Amino acid sequence: AQSVTQLDSHVSVSEGTPVLLRCNYSSSYSPSLFWYVQHPNKGLQLLLKYTSAATLVKGINGFEAEFKKSETSFHLTKPSAHMSDAAEYFCVVSPGGYQKVTFGTGTKLQVIP
Amino acid sequence: GAGVSQSPSNKVTEKGKDVELRCDPISGHTALYWYRQSLGQGLEFLIYFQGNSAPDKSGLPSDRFSAERTGGSVSTLTIQRTQQEDSAVYLCASSLTAGSVIDTQYFGPGTRLTVL
Repeated sequence: AQSVTQLDSHVSVSEGTPVLLRCNYSSSYSPSLFWYVQHPNKGLQLLLKYTSAATLVKGINGFEAEFKKSETSFHLTKPSAHMSDAAEYFCVVSPGGYQKVTFGTGTKLQVIP
Repeated sequence: GAGVSQSPSNKVTEKGKDVELRCDPISGHTALYWYRQSLGQGLEFLIYFQGNSAPDKSGLPSDRFSAERTGGSVSTLTIQRTQQEDSAVYLCASSLTAGSVIDTQYFGPGTRLTVL
């Protein structure tokens, strides 16, 4: 069975400072991992994905995530937060074996001017 | 079509009535998901289709909820005898399956259901 844990339900950062959104997973297989973003009153959009290629994955809007198998983590980072980054972020594991994907509970990112 | 479409976009119904929500996935996508998102909440998984079969129905909250998918394409989610707690945005997503791994999910705009 697989699971995803997003360690922080809310994160607040000042504009221009780094962003770190944490995600840990468990999976019986070698999973694919995703980050999705949902802006207020908007649909869900793929931010980036890891599919067993390079462990450091770059996504849209300057975000990146590093797959660390030894730590079973896939944390999302950005060097400098922008006001437009305020949204809810979901970490997702796709375990393979035709098993369904599993969403984390989400992290709401607040960016303070 | 260019993306996942859902209809209707909004549905207001009275308690006790049945509703049917429709999802048209991206052509060729074998995997299809239904989720529910209540106000201010995260995503609640409802059901997952691989082709026309549903390997995982574990998220359906009660026997009032059912879903089917025909021709490996369109899916309908039916809620019978709606209750006020069914009010939420119902999201559909589709994806390709690469080997046995579900790839990127593409989400529809959702159907906002309000039960009075």
